[in-house]
Amino acid sequence: NAGVTQTPKFRILKIGQSMTLQCTQDMNHNYMYWYRQDPGMGLKLIYYSVGAGITDKGEVPNGYNVSRSTTEDFPLRLELAAPSQTSVYFCASSDVISGANVLTFGAGSRLTVL
Amino acid sequence: AQSVTQLGSHVSVSEGALVLLRCNYSSSVPPYLFWYVQYPNQGLQLLLKYTSAATLVKGINGFEAEFKKSETSFHLTKPSAHMSDAAEYFCAVRRGDNFNKFYFGSGTKLNVKP
Repeated sequence: NAGVTQTPKFRILKIGQSMTLQCTQDMNHNYMYWYRQDPGMGLKLIYYSVGAGITDKGEVPNGYNVSRSTTEDFPLRLELAAPSQTSVYFCASSDVISGANVLTFGAGSRLTVL
Repeated sequence: AQSVTQLGSHVSVSEGALVLLRCNYSSSVPPYLFWYVQYPNQGLQLLLKYTSAATLVKGINGFEAEFKKSETSFHLTKPSAHMSDAAEYFCAVRRGDNFNKFYFGSGTKLNVKP
């Protein structure tokens, strides 16, 4: 059981370039999330989805876009990369069990924008 | 609004000593509380969760946490530190009425000295 798989693990972008971070889960979870982790700042929610075709903004959505065409996939798109988007990105998924859903995280994608 | 405060960005203990990582939260409704651990270059893994069933929660690897409503705290403890406990620990809170919004603390890096 692979859980949550993210690709790529590392990427260097130039300012203004675009890219997509891929996220796939094989647990049939309804909820999926994208977080960014910056040193000393914890995790900040970028976007989340409660099911295929439904997405919503989190705390820090500016500069990002998402889509959810299937239950399994939740890609994160950066349209015009900026140095402020240098971060480690984590995809997570969860399902509601007994009212206490637990996040299952991917291994992360480290992005550097130069 | 929900927020999580972790006191101490770095904690250092000797092997065999008590581990105490502090977490205080604010929540306008009864919360669900979590502790996650992150080992270097990995995603976050669940240590334990509080779901109102019991105020003392036991997790994996000998960790436990106690929910104290009067102090709005959810401190993480382990009686005897092991070298393998060296990692970063995150406290998180989720509103009881919202499955999607998890709020993370800024993290505490635990160093275990031989």
